Formats: sequence, C-alpha cells, structure tokens
Amino acid sequence: DAGVIQSPRHEVTEMGQEVTLRCKPISGHDYLFWYRQTMMRGLELLIYFNNNVPIDDSGMPEDRFSAKMPNASFSTLKIQPSEPRDSAVYFCASSSPSQGQYQETQYFGPGTRLLVL
Amino acid sequence: AQKITQTQPGMFVQEKEAVTLDCTYDTSDQSYGLFWYKQPSSGEMIFLIYQGSYDEQNATEGRYSLNFQKARKSANLVISASQLGDSAMYFCAMREGPTGGGNKLTFGTGTQLKVEL
Repeated sequence: DAGVIQSPRHEVTEMGQEVTLRCKPISGHDYLFWYRQTMMRGLELLIYFNNNVPIDDSGMPEDRFSAKMPNASFSTLKIQPSEPRDSAVYFCASSSPSQGQYQETQYFGPGTRLLVL
Repeated sequence: AQKITQTQPGMFVQEKEAVTLDCTYDTSDQSYGLFWYKQPSSGEMIFLIYQGSYDEQNATEGRYSLNFQKARKSANLVISASQLGDSAMYFCAMREGPTGGGNKLTFGTGTQLKVEL
C-alpha cells in the first residue's frame, strides 16, 4: 500500500507569495493531520481533520494559514502571504481508529521542506 | 508543564550494544497511548512502537522494546543490538484520551542517537 504522499517535497519561494502544500492520506484513513517542524519549536500540530471535517485548528499560527480537505483523499495547507518565519518542514500524517494492534498510530508523509526568502 | 519530556538531547552507543532512550510523560487521563518515532537524517518520520495505557505487557517490535512504567509515568525505548542505521533522532509522543476520541499527539523534543563502530 502507498503511504502518505506529499507534494512538493521542496519549495523555495519569496516573501509575500502564496504557498500551497498538498497531501494524500493513506486510503481508508479517516484522520488527517498537518504538523510543522522547526528547530526552535519542534513538532507542532497545526490542524487535524476527521472524515474531511476540521476538528481542531488551534495550532494554526495565524490567519495567513488555511487548510482544506475537500474529499477523503486530498488535503491542502495554504500560506498566504508567506513570510520567512514560515520556513520549516511541513508534515502530513493520517490514521484510522480501526487499525487493530496499532490503533490510531499516525503515519507520516515524507514532508515538504519550505524555504521562504 | 511539559507533557512529554525527553531529557537526553544526544546519546552515543557502540554498534551491537543496547541503548535506552528516556521518555517521561504527564497526563491525568486514564486512557492514553505512547508512541516512538524515528527520524533519520533524510527527514521522514517512521513509526516504531506503540504502548497503550491499559496494556499489561511491554510492547516489543523486533529490536525495539518499550519499558513502560506506569507509576513512574515513563515509557523508555530500548534498542537492542544497535546498528549504524539506527543513528537518527528519536521522538516520544503521547495520545491523551481513549482511542477514537480525536487522537492528537504531543511530541517530545527528541533524542539524537549516534551509533559508533
């Protein structure tokens, strides 16, 4: 089975530009998570969805960040306008409550390395 | 207070030796889950092992085992017979609350493990 797929793997952009990160969760998983990883703050949960519905977006840093999940197999995280402090690795992860022995284990995508100049 | 504490920023171990990575957690929930992830230099987050709070036996997965001491609120990862490929950052994480209830994970700051010849 394919794991979580993220695109692009690397993104370099200039301050003020719009950035869109994409994620395809593992088929059958009904939870999707967006994390950000930086040296200063470690791994932070930004937002998560259950059955395509946002459940908790309290980790979204500010209004410049938005996330959508239009269907069970696709989610986007958008930053508009981007700033240099948004430079980080952004991970998408998915899970399912019905995983038997590994209930609710989150499986991560390879991440998107974002650099905002 | 930190929910997940990893007090060892860096560890060294000789190849073929065993190593223990420490993790303590803080929660008032009776039902919770503890996870360990590995992040090699390539950046992906790899799930290693899971321990549920009601599991009576320590979890094991190949060379990985989780030393779960509930009263001490510790969930240390033990890697036996270390290999060079084990060199990576290791994160401890906790899910609070019962399974199926919105499985947010809180991550520790990580331990960088270096396996030496």
